[in-house]
Amino acid sequence: AQKVTQAQTEISVVEKEDVTLDCVYETRDTTYYLFWYKQPPSGELVFLIRRNSFDEQNEISGRYSWNFQKSTSSFNFTITASQVVDSAVYFCALTFYGGATNKLIFGTGTLLAVQP
Amino acid sequence: GAVVSQHPSRVICKSGTSVKIECRSLDFQATTMFWYRQFPKQSLMLMATSNEGSKATYEQGVEKDKFLINHASLTLSTLTVTSAHPEDSSFYICSARDLGASGTGEQYFGPGTRLTVT
Repeated sequence: AQKVTQAQTEISVVEKEDVTLDCVYETRDTTYYLFWYKQPPSGELVFLIRRNSFDEQNEISGRYSWNFQKSTSSFNFTITASQVVDSAVYFCALTFYGGATNKLIFGTGTLLAVQP
Repeated sequence: GAVVSQHPSRVICKSGTSVKIECRSLDFQATTMFWYRQFPKQSLMLMATSNEGSKATYEQGVEKDKFLINHASLTLSTLTVTSAHPEDSSFYICSARDLGASGTGEQYFGPGTRLTVT
């Protein structure tokens, strides 16, 4: 069975602090994709990153960075120098490779509140 | 590119009436579209997978007669909530998969429709 766990329900930080959002996944597939999405108060999901299971290189995009570790089945997301605009719910998701109808399995989300 | 629209963005209807929500892929063709439901402070719950020209596949526990899905073209899928009741009030989100991205699992999400049943 596939499962995504985001143990942190809510996180509150003060602006300029660094924050890491945890994501742990379970799958028996050897080929899969992991995603992070941001959902601001407006509700629209914003795609942040896709990572396939064969690429364990960490990625950095501006203030965002992702740490993918297959050994611990984790795909953590760090925001450096957080800003108020980062306040949103963040979802980690998983899907297996191949087929047009493969489903996205979402975690329960982490609500990040960045205080000014 | 890869834009998905939903219409309407908000709808209020009376109990017992039906509501139709449209999901369109604006600049790509999508053989597969997905419908999700999201309650406040909860995650997205997949309701059904919609394939162009065939019947939708519903997730366990989702009433197919209540949530009618039609995927008549490669750019349009509709969700009709029939005989809506207050408990159907929710945020409904659709997503579409680009024909060219079938192996990557990537879905493009619409902005969502907030349904309130009074």
